[in-house]
Amino acid sequence: TQLLKQSPQFLSIQEGENLTVYCNSSSVFSSLQWYRQEPGEGPVLLVTVVTGGEVKKLKRLTFQFGDARKDSSLHITAAQPGDTGLYLCAGAVDYKLSFGAGTTVTVRA
Amino acid sequence: SAVISQKPSRDICQRGTSLTIQCQVDSQVTMMFWYRQQPGQSLTLIATANQGSEATYESGFVIDKFPISRPNLTFSTLTVSNMSPEDSSIYLCSVSTGVTGNTIYFGEGSWLTVV
Repeated sequence: TQLLKQSPQFLSIQEGENLTVYCNSSSVFSSLQWYRQEPGEGPVLLVTVVTGGEVKKLKRLTFQFGDARKDSSLHITAAQPGDTGLYLCAGAVDYKLSFGAGTTVTVRA
Repeated sequence: SAVISQKPSRDICQRGTSLTIQCQVDSQVTMMFWYRQQPGQSLTLIATANQGSEATYESGFVIDKFPISRPNLTFSTLTVSNMSPEDSSIYLCSVSTGVTGNTIYFGEGSWLTVV
């Protein structure tokens, strides 16, 4: 049973459109991390959010941690084909990560 | 951040054999972990590699099947023993530097195919 539920599972959009990926749980996490993984490679860390209500922006990516530290969202503005990949959220409890099932994002040129 | 190197990156293994994966980190780290990612699925924690003592295994994983060593603060190995096709997965080494909310970094992974 996965602690974190990601939605949607798959997302296919046109270049230039916006997208949002959600990560929800009934558990409280000390931190939450977002990763992007490409086929055949390990996950690459995008961001760590620690404080409830925290919002972090990295260029076109905006990450939000819920006030209760149980959920998070990733919003991509003006998506580009290079944003294509598997996006994973992971909640940390005592240094251990529990991963969501992932959202496969495809951005069509 | 930490730079994590894993070897081998890929291998094709015969059923019934064992393979040892090595993980080298470019700096001393507090925690090292081993994850498994089966085809089309998310990551599952196998165990925490403890320096100088036995690894701590998660439910569903046992030492006889996945023996782990961690002789120092920068190196760990994971052995996949008596492999079957069900063991075909990406095995990922990860580390925590103990800062910024327990951020975990991953190596490139070792892609094992058991035939």
